[in-house]
Amino acid sequence: DAKTTQPPSMDCAEGRAANLPCNHSTISGNEYVYWYRQIHSQGPQYIIHGLKNNETNEMASLIITEDRKSSTLILPHATLRDTAVYYCIVSQGNNRLAFGKGNQVVVIP
Amino acid sequence: DTAVSQTPKYLVTQMGNDKSIKCEQNLGHDTMYWYKQDSKKFLKIMFSYNNKELIINETVPNRFSPKSPDKAHLNLHINSLELGDSAVYFCASSLRQGSRDTEAFFGQGTRLTVV
Repeated sequence: DAKTTQPPSMDCAEGRAANLPCNHSTISGNEYVYWYRQIHSQGPQYIIHGLKNNETNEMASLIITEDRKSSTLILPHATLRDTAVYYCIVSQGNNRLAFGKGNQVVVIP
Repeated sequence: DTAVSQTPKYLVTQMGNDKSIKCEQNLGHDTMYWYKQDSKKFLKIMFSYNNKELIINETVPNRFSPKSPDKAHLNLHINSLELGDSAVYFCASSLRQGSRDTEAFFGQGTRLTVV
């Protein structure tokens, strides 16, 4: 069972930053927050993960609240190719990933 | 240069048949997985192998038998296929680092249709 809550869908404008929220109020102290996405008809793709601190890589930034009960994935400049289902997952780091329904993000021109 | 490759990409077969899906990774990873994505798009782990040893076996019918001939391969054999086995099956791999695994790399999936 997924331990996270995400909006079912959202739109964002091409070229703008996309902020994807995730609630994980029951996260344990040893669990990480992972983000994956699945573009239509493809396999899931890893984006980023974090434990406590904010993280940034070439794809996105991850902002985790101080109490770790929620986080936000930020796509700094959304492109049409970022249209996908985004999954927020909590895991102890063993890749026993429990994918929920995810957030269907559509980037609009 | 596909990192995690699955074959076949599509598989249509009749109920009762036995079929196999093959997976190979060229990333030098030591852990491989099979995930199943059902018609409602939920993605769930089925099996995990580390260095050819089974480490995760979720409540999957014993008609499903994974086989890992070496660290780079994890094949999935399914006996007596049923209509409910229709789904997309994803192979994935990662590297074990201490008590944790690196992020998982997924293949493109095998769409299995049982008729």
